[in-house]
Amino acid sequence: SQTIHQWPATLVQPVGSPLSLECTVEGTSNPNLYWYRQAAGRGLQLLFYSVGIGQISSEVPQNLSASRPQDRQFILSSKKLLLSDSGFYLCAWSVRLAGGPETGELFFGEGSRLTVL
Amino acid sequence: QKEVEQDPGPLSVPEGAIVSLNCTYSNSAFQYFMWYRQYSRKGPELLMYTYSSGNKEDGRFTAQVDKSSKYISLFIRDSQPSDSATYLCAMSAQNTGNQFYFGTGTSLTVIP
Repeated sequence: SQTIHQWPATLVQPVGSPLSLECTVEGTSNPNLYWYRQAAGRGLQLLFYSVGIGQISSEVPQNLSASRPQDRQFILSSKKLLLSDSGFYLCAWSVRLAGGPETGELFFGEGSRLTVL
Repeated sequence: QKEVEQDPGPLSVPEGAIVSLNCTYSNSAFQYFMWYRQYSRKGPELLMYTYSSGNKEDGRFTAQVDKSSKYISLFIRDSQPSDSATYLCAMSAQNTGNQFYFGTGTSLTVIP
């Protein structure tokens, strides 16, 4: 069966420090990968998605970047954190249907809670 | 107008009650519909996945999709305190590329 791992679960960082959140998926190949941020009462905001190694699409201009160095690994980074980067970050994956755009179920990791002080 | 609208609640019911959670949407192209359960400080867990219209049942949970009304529902029978969580609806379509569209979530409390 497929599983998704995300770490660290909790992170407290000072303003201006770097960030690295990691996500790996097991039990599937060539998944679509996503980073979301969830703010209370405001739903899920898509930050980045990737359809393959080295292919990253950014949905929201911001202080963050993403990379996909391996098929099932997705990393969210920042060089210098801002207070506004605090939040709950979720990695997710979905199956890409053969021959077409991605559709279907979306599975989430356990999340990483980031507090920037 | 938001793509997906969901009443945020909060919703409070006694144990054993039938719970109805709903979302409306504006994009008639949506054809994949999902319900997630999210406990506090945890990631969303996929509860139900439905393609196109109709009903799907899984234990105490039933998902309904009415594409003509652009309305989806999740019913929870014999609700339990362990069902207390936030419930998110989500949807997508082949022509929305890699986008999933989410409701903001409904907070549910089941009182023992």
